[in-house]
Amino acid sequence: EVLLLESGGGLVKPGGSLRLSCAASGFIFSDYNMHWVRQSPGKGLEWVSAVNRDGSSTYYTDSLKGRFTVSRDNSKNALYLQMNSLRVDDTAVYFCARRVPTVGLDFWGQGTMVTVSS
Amino acid sequence: DIQMTQSPSSLSASVGDRVTITCRASQDIGNYLNWYQQKQGKAPKLLIYGASNLNSGVPSRFSGSGSGPHFTFTISSLQPEDFATYYCQQFYIVPNTFGGGTKVDI
Repeated sequence: EVLLLESGGGLVKPGGSLRLSCAASGFIFSDYNMHWVRQSPGKGLEWVSAVNRDGSSTYYTDSLKGRFTVSRDNSKNALYLQMNSLRVDDTAVYFCARRVPTVGLDFWGQGTMVTVSS
Repeated sequence: DIQMTQSPSSLSASVGDRVTITCRASQDIGNYLNWYQQKQGKAPKLLIYGASNLNSGVPSRFSGSGSGPHFTFTISSLQPEDFATYYCQQFYIVPNTFGGGTKVDI
């Protein structure tokens, strides 16, 4: 069974940092590109970032470039999102998801909540 | 970035109704368009990929069509479990932008 489990969310002050993790199981993690998507309270889905299978290529939505860094450790079946200089508007549930070529994001984690507030 | 315009933003419908949602991309994206369902407090679920392909295990009352900039998502006969929010997403180029969502309620 494919499982994705996010962790690392919590309450942080503006300007602070958090590192989110996504633990993958039930599939060959290194065969798939992985994505992060977020959802602010009461709002729609926002694509955040992606990383290719071996971690050599990373992608970000323009507004987050320079503050967020996506990475992965295929030996640990883990995906990460390092978030720096956090702002109030980064408050959201952050989902990790598996990308299947020509199909899309076929499995998602349950999400982890990040709250940025003073 | 490619902008995805989804309409309507919300609709009210009854069990058994036919429901149609549209999604328009700001440029040609071929058939690189997916549809997701999200229920309150849950992760999104992939329903349709490649504009018109039903994901495994998804009931056949769900369908998608279109290409280029214009796409349509249809529920042929709305069921009680279909009340949710639906999103389109383009996979033509990063950032893989989502539409604003369509909330389907009673």
